[in-house]
Amino acid sequence: GAGVSQSPSNKVTEKGKDVELRCDPISGHTALYWYRQSLGQGLEFLIYFQGNSAPDKSGLPSDRFSAERTGGSVSTLTIQRTQQEDSAVYLCASSLGLAGAQEQFFGPGTRLTVL
Amino acid sequence: AQTVTQSQPEMSVQEAETVTLSCTYDTSESDYYLFWYKQPPSRQMILVIRQEAYKQQNATENRFSVNFQKAAKSFSLKISDSQLGDAAMYFCAYRSATRAAGNKLTFGGGTRVLVKP
Repeated sequence: GAGVSQSPSNKVTEKGKDVELRCDPISGHTALYWYRQSLGQGLEFLIYFQGNSAPDKSGLPSDRFSAERTGGSVSTLTIQRTQQEDSAVYLCASSLGLAGAQEQFFGPGTRLTVL
Repeated sequence: AQTVTQSQPEMSVQEAETVTLSCTYDTSESDYYLFWYKQPPSRQMILVIRQEAYKQQNATENRFSVNFQKAAKSFSLKISDSQLGDAAMYFCAYRSATRAAGNKLTFGGGTRVLVKP
């Protein structure tokens, strides 16, 4: 596809379970970002990857959150032992690089509901 | 740390009229980028317009234009000739130009725009 895709679109899980959210960036984009959108906290940065550099994990809220990017393309955000406060929309974005006012192209998000 | 504030939770505009959304930010940096993103009910964020802080000229994209006041740290968005398809949440975002600061976007709380036919 031409845009950023994310799966699943919606995920309902029980408190304490682990979840994996997937992001497929636009082909050729070297930078990939994860953001979280929740009613209480608004839009927050979580993590970003750029090429082969070490990821910037400064936005991850706790050590239950982790992410990886395989082969410089697909990324998976993993949340272990989910809590109700993890309920949010998780947005993925990608960009060609970091230089200048690069546009970040966003996916449609995954809505996570923790019961 | 930078903060972005959008003081208007919701704005209503008549179709074909003009609406202005406000955004202020706090930063000690001199070089940065500012963006306005639109988020329709489909959730997919779409870039509306961007501005480099070193450029004095205000950016325009068709019916969308900004009023960038660097000294006042203000970055308002004007939507002219509003259309029904403009109805959405609008987010103002800041990005540092400093590599050490990372490439993350810092968002404001958003403004919901309602367009009345």
